Amino acid sequence: AQSVSQHNHHVILSEAASLELGCNYSYGGTVNLFWYVQYPGQHLQLLLKYFSGDPLVKGIKGFEAEFIKSKFSFNLRKPSVQWSDTAEYFCAVNQNSGYSTLTFGKGTMLLVSP
Amino acid sequence: DSGVTQTPKHLITATGQRVTLRCSPRSGDLSVYWYQQSLDQGLQFLIQYYNGEERAKGNILERFSAQQFPDLHSELNLSSLELGDSALYFCASSPGDRGNHYGYTFGSGTRLTVV
Repeated sequence: AQSVSQHNHHVILSEAASLELGCNYSYGGTVNLFWYVQYPGQHLQLLLKYFSGDPLVKGIKGFEAEFIKSKFSFNLRKPSVQWSDTAEYFCAVNQNSGYSTLTFGKGTMLLVSP
Repeated sequence: DSGVTQTPKHLITATGQRVTLRCSPRSGDLSVYWYQQSLDQGLQFLIQYYNGEERAKGNILERFSAQQFPDLHSELNLSSLELGDSALYFCASSPGDRGNHYGYTFGSGTRLTVV
């Protein structure tokens, strides 16, 4: 079974700072990787996903993530955060083939101060 | 609005009671997934239904059960409730039975408080 580890539980940044949230997964086979965002009081929304091709994927709202297979990592980045990016961010993984449900990391709470 | 509808949004009940949470998937999606979100455990997968049939089970307690009806809506039944069952319960849906490349679409959740 796969598992996901998110390194930081809480991150505090000032507006315009750069963001990188770490995500590592454990599974020996081919995986699909996802980042979800949960704004306060709202449902989880898909930010971006990777399942094949270019390991650098771009998502909504200026977010991007890079899949590094050798490091089992899928870190989320944004060059310049805004106050409206304050939210909880979840990394998730499932297996690329066969049957597999999404496994989530425990989330990283990002607080952006104006 | 994600298209996945969950009711009720909030539920407060006493220990030992039974509650039912309801979920309507996004139009066209055949799979429904239930997750429990708590501060210490994060998002835990409970159970999946696909087109009316149970497809996968995760960390679901025996006191909990679910079903998916012919109109594809799903209900999660929680019985003999304990204080530790207090959590946010999310429903998600996907088009197929695997969701491998699509990911899931989530509802807004039901916040259950057991007192």
